[in-house]
Amino acid sequence: DAKTTQPNSMESNEEEPVHLPCNHSTISGTDYIHWYRQLPSQGPEYVIHGLTSNVNNRMASLAIAEDRKSSTLILHRATLRDAAVYYCILRPPYSGNTPLVFGKGTRLSVIA
Amino acid sequence: DSGVTQTPKHLITATGQRVTLRCSPRSGDLSVYWYQQSLDQGLQFLIQYYNGEERAKGNILERFSAQQFPDLHSELNLSSLELGDSALYFCASSVRAGGRTEAFFGQGTRLTVV
Repeated sequence: DAKTTQPNSMESNEEEPVHLPCNHSTISGTDYIHWYRQLPSQGPEYVIHGLTSNVNNRMASLAIAEDRKSSTLILHRATLRDAAVYYCILRPPYSGNTPLVFGKGTRLSVIA
Repeated sequence: DSGVTQTPKHLITATGQRVTLRCSPRSGDLSVYWYQQSLDQGLQFLIQYYNGEERAKGNILERFSAQQFPDLHSELNLSSLELGDSALYFCASSVRAGGRTEAFFGQGTRLTVV
């Protein structure tokens, strides 16, 4: 299975942008890049996903490197509510043995 | 609200007992996933179903079993419970089984084995 590497932890000031990196040098040409987060005492929450092009939604932006060996989740203006563990996960596109497996993720702390 | 409903929210039971956790996926979602999260631990993938069939299996103990019914809801059965089975159990659902679509998670069932 293609693996991802994320920093264990990051810190950000409130109302500043946050760039959360993810390395996935063994990504296959068809793997989707997914990001989820888990706030304290809550279930995981979908954030964003993409294949090749950069993606934007109301929560965040996903910047994907041209060679697709890395990606960055961008929170444009961090709030205290964004303090969570963020997970970068690669997933093949089609059904089959494609479990959604979480690694250790990056723990983001937001300072007021 | 993710649209994924898990019941019950809390469950306290004794060692050696058997419990059933229920998951109702979002309307239209065919795939269901189950996870276990012990205190301060990561999310451990247990099992995935797609349209009633088992699709992927993780580190699920033999004492645990699951199934997805024709109406697409799923149940996770935990038997011969041990103290170490105390954890949060999450269910997620997605339209498809692969990575083209996102998954949505329920709020979990907190199981306490005493």
